[in-house]
Amino acid sequence: DAGITQSPRHKVTETGTPVTLRCHQTENHRYMYWYRQDPGHGLRLIHYSYGVKDTDKGEVSDGYSVSRSKTEDFLLTLESATSSQTSVYFCAIGAVLGGYEQYFGPGTRLTVT
Amino acid sequence: AQTVTQSQPEMSVQEAETVTLSCTYDTSESNYYLFWYKQPPSRQMILVIRQEAYKQQNATENRFSVNFQKAAKSFSLKISDSQLGDTAMYFCAFILTGANSKLTFGKGITLSVRP
Repeated sequence: DAGITQSPRHKVTETGTPVTLRCHQTENHRYMYWYRQDPGHGLRLIHYSYGVKDTDKGEVSDGYSVSRSKTEDFLLTLESATSSQTSVYFCAIGAVLGGYEQYFGPGTRLTVT
Repeated sequence: AQTVTQSQPEMSVQEAETVTLSCTYDTSESNYYLFWYKQPPSRQMILVIRQEAYKQQNATENRFSVNFQKAAKSFSLKISDSQLGDTAMYFCAFILTGANSKLTFGKGITLSVRP
């Protein structure tokens, strides 16, 4: 298995509070991604990074920000959590030269009350 | 924009039988990769199989094989000798080749293997 960890694995928070999810990889892959998974929607890309300090928006980026100060860490921040951000969040890593497949972390279940 | 469609929300198969999961996609590009991912109840996303669009030969991984029809933009997954551990949600995914390409997922299909 690819070395990808996510923390925390579960979190319950209140509306309006800031939340940061962490993704850590040991594979030295260039690309890192944050997705959310909701019933009936599959996985949707929030933000991604193509290098240290290089990030870009995905399909559903409103209300989220990211940062990548080291190759191995990619942080997802909800500045002011809303109930619509209740979801399962997945981090993934990828290496284009390896064939474009992405490997996923175990996911974080976030509940905003 | 690329789209991936999985039109069957649920399927069921008897243990040891064969089942085929359907996926279609839409793109005007010619260079891309297609994937099937499995998500069991543990929630972990697991890569099952990969197909490069430039390859005519269908990919195979043990009991899993694909039927890739590039002209029809179809990419189905066949699971042979189904096992109880194959019970999971299966996602079809597509990515263009090139820097900073993004993976597009279908909505998934829930497969149940009956004992």
